[in-house]
Amino acid sequence: GAVVSQHPSWVICKSGTSVKIECRSLDFQATTMFWYRQFPKQSLMLMATSNEGSKATYEQGVEKDKFLINHASLTLSTLTVTSAHPEDSSFYICSALAGLAGVNEQFFGPGTRLTVL
Amino acid sequence: RKEVEQDPGPFNVPEGATVAFNCTYSNSASQSFFWYRQDCRKEPKLLMSVYSSGNEDGRFTAQLNRASQYISLLIRDSKLSDSATYLCVVQTSGTYKYIFGTGTRLKVLA
Repeated sequence: GAVVSQHPSWVICKSGTSVKIECRSLDFQATTMFWYRQFPKQSLMLMATSNEGSKATYEQGVEKDKFLINHASLTLSTLTVTSAHPEDSSFYICSALAGLAGVNEQFFGPGTRLTVL
Repeated sequence: RKEVEQDPGPFNVPEGATVAFNCTYSNSASQSFFWYRQDCRKEPKLLMSVYSSGNEDGRFTAQLNRASQYISLLIRDSKLSDSATYLCVVQTSGTYKYIFGTGTRLKVLA
């Protein structure tokens, strides 16, 4: 159990376009999901906390108007990178919070590799 | 100062060796601690949670020292398949956020 999927697994786009990434919890409901970004040879950096039915909470330095997050259902959160630029090229990973056996743990999706030309 | 600090390595060790990684955290309110493993271009996968009493899972042993605010991971009898980046993760009390360390790269050599 506790499987999280992401789609697409990779995407290449032109500068100035918008890209939507989906994160789904496949076998459990997740009121809270997280979005991370990982640049080469660096660790995962939390971008925002996505809460079902309410606005996302963004970490300091992350532009909420550039990285739009929608968590419209208990199994789906989407991240839209608007007007993408080459510096947005990165590995984007989502996680979903699941409470199993009384422990709240994050389960990670396989990631989406974004390349902006 | 970073919230979670690790030596980036790489640690190059021969098969069969024992290797230890340390991780320090700055927030004394941190509540939960984990070691994750990340292979190149993949998502992180949970290796083990870390408890105050210490815990062992096969060749892997994790320890937590709250007084000194550090966590350790010991790998015994290293295998080639252990080659990966090991990420120290800290979760602060009252939130579900994970703070990741920069990771320590391990290369086990034949």
